[in-house]
Amino acid sequence: EIVMTQSPATLSVSPGERATLSCRASQSVSSNLAWYQQKPGQAPRLLIYGASTRATGIPARFSGSGSGTEFTLTISSLQSEDFAVYYCQQYNNWPSCSFGQGTKLEIK
Amino acid sequence: QLQLQESGPGLVKPSETLSLTCTVSGGSISSSSYYWGWIRQPPGKGLEWIGSIYYSGSTYYNPSLKSRVTISVDTSKNQFSLKLSSVTAADTAVYYCARHHHVPLMDVWGKGTTVTVSS
Repeated sequence: EIVMTQSPATLSVSPGERATLSCRASQSVSSNLAWYQQKPGQAPRLLIYGASTRATGIPARFSGSGSGTEFTLTISSLQSEDFAVYYCQQYNNWPSCSFGQGTKLEIK
Repeated sequence: QLQLQESGPGLVKPSETLSLTCTVSGGSISSSSYYWGWIRQPPGKGLEWIGSIYYSGSTYYNPSLKSRVTISVDTSKNQFSLKLSSVTAADTAVYYCARHHHVPLMDVWGKGTTVTVSS
């Protein structure tokens, strides 16, 4: 089983600033890494796949990077609607996949 | 516009079987481009993939749940279903159905349904 570990658990950032979220895999997942955003009471939304490709309709302020075991999601200039919980997901060992425990991005 | 809607009992007794259905509208579940999956989220916790199915009936399950999970598809009704047996309180969660590609990138989700396991 591939374990995904996200850090920090909670990140406090002011609107307009940059946020950097991390995700680490217990073994290499190549670039088979996705990021999701989840707001309270809503289903998750796919943001990034292939470690760095934005999904349809995702603003350019969201970017992903990394490969192997270390990955980063960067939000360049935080908007009010970006405060949410973010999950990484590996799908390198499909037909299985696993999610990280999430990072809560809150307003500072 | 493709929409997914979960349905089923909100309360299940311990040791019984949880049964949920996902109804797909605005598109065909028989598309060769997609798989259909179940994901759950315990209260205040993260996401857990339960399993997925292709319209042909091929299934893929989370190894940690495989012994208790059955996912099936009914193409005539444009629905797929989840059965989870021998439930305990640890199975209490919001259950989501979702569409994904040939790798599990879930791009369309249902709103989720809360299932509580309690006597």
